[in-house]
Amino acid sequence: AQKVTQAQTEISVVEKEDVTLDCVYETRDTTYYLFWYKQPPSGELVFLIRRNSFDEQNEISGRYSWNFQKSTSSFNFTITASQVVDSAVYFCALSEERAGGTSYGKLTFGQGTILTVHP
Amino acid sequence: GAVVSQHPSWVICKSGTSVKIECRSLDFQATTMFWYRQFPKQSLMLMATSNEGSKATYEQGVEKDKFLINHASLTLSTLTVTSAHPEDSSFYICSAATGGMGTGELFFGEGSRLTVL
Repeated sequence: AQKVTQAQTEISVVEKEDVTLDCVYETRDTTYYLFWYKQPPSGELVFLIRRNSFDEQNEISGRYSWNFQKSTSSFNFTITASQVVDSAVYFCALSEERAGGTSYGKLTFGQGTILTVHP
Repeated sequence: GAVVSQHPSWVICKSGTSVKIECRSLDFQATTMFWYRQFPKQSLMLMATSNEGSKATYEQGVEKDKFLINHASLTLSTLTVTSAHPEDSSFYICSAATGGMGTGELFFGEGSRLTVL
């Protein structure tokens, strides 16, 4: 069975601080996908990144960066110079790929981290 | 614009009534769609996998007779909450992937907030 753990329930920072959201996952599959989503108060899920298990390269997108460490089963997310608009709930999620690919998209979500950025 | 659309965005109903939520893929065909439920301040939990032209696959603990799923076309899946009760009040979100084998993109609908009085 797969599992995603986001140990930080809530994080509070002041604007311009850097903040890292942790994500640890468990899976028996060798091929899988990891995601990060942002959920603002309106509820819709905003896609941030997808990473497959064979690509351990770290990625940077503007103020966002991700650190994928297969050895520790972690996929951490860092926001540099945080802004008030970054306040939201952030979810890490895992999708296993099985033969036929029909399980792709069947996500296991972490508990979510509530990020509050104060002015 | 959104490529997966849900309707309605929010609905309030009386206890005992049934509510139907639609999930449409707007510019691609989806043989598989997924339905999630999110209670306030909690995570998203997969309820069921909706398969076009066949029965849905429900996750353990989800009552298939209470949450009826119909995937009659390649662009539409519906979730009907039958005889809704206050404990069914939740945020329901669907998703669909373009293509399989991890090559496609995964999109989520905007969500439907159900309140049962």
